[in-house]
Amino acid sequence: VVMTQSPLSLPVTLGQPASISCRSSQSLVHSNGNTYFNWFQQRPGQSPRRLIYNVSKRDSGVPDRFSGSGSGTDFTLKISRVEAEDVGVYYCIQATHWPLTFGPGTKVEIK
Amino acid sequence: EVQLLESGGGLVQPGGSLRLSCAASGFTFGTYAMNWVRQAPGKGLEWVSAISGSGGTPYYADSVKGRFTISRDNSRDTLYLQMYSLRPEDTAVYYCAKDETYYYDNSADQRGSFDIWGQGTVVTVSS
Repeated sequence: VVMTQSPLSLPVTLGQPASISCRSSQSLVHSNGNTYFNWFQQRPGQSPRRLIYNVSKRDSGVPDRFSGSGSGTDFTLKISRVEAEDVGVYYCIQATHWPLTFGPGTKVEIK
Repeated sequence: EVQLLESGGGLVQPGGSLRLSCAASGFTFGTYAMNWVRQAPGKGLEWVSAISGSGGTPYYADSVKGRFTISRDNSRDTLYLQMYSLRPEDTAVYYCAKDETYYYDNSADQRGSFDIWGQGTVVTVSS
């Protein structure tokens, strides 16, 4: 399954919203009805960190300005108001089909 | 504190072998599936391999199938990645990551839901 993200680079003004799209080449709905789709953030020089799991469930400790949505083949990560600490690369991953596949990443930077 | 600590990386010649280890602490290691994810210099994340909590059927990316072997020792709370026939394109930071499921079967509520990551170990394949 090929995962595509857009945009690949996202310059954002502090306090403004941001949106990242992730699309899969096949439906991510598993035969059991679950959709195994997650979002990760990787800040510069750090290991990745899970932000959103099962499409829309936010990790504990993740600010509520982050939200995930989508279904089937189209998914979105939204940041309601970008803060300086949000700079980094955001990756989607599908785990419905083997092998698991990450998207290419979207680099968020401050204008 | 929940923690994963990778080790075993280094410089190896093309065609060589290396074994990575990932020591877990702060959680019941044997009740979670584990994964390896790598990141080539300046590139994105690439999933490498997965193994269930019991150490059952392993899963591999096509790029490493037949060359890498994932295993675990639940008595030692340690995950391994044995790498053979290494190629320059295997050069990367290798992360181990804990998944939020035990088995990769139809009952799993989560998959690819890597809630804990290690700091990574660097593997360089070069002559």
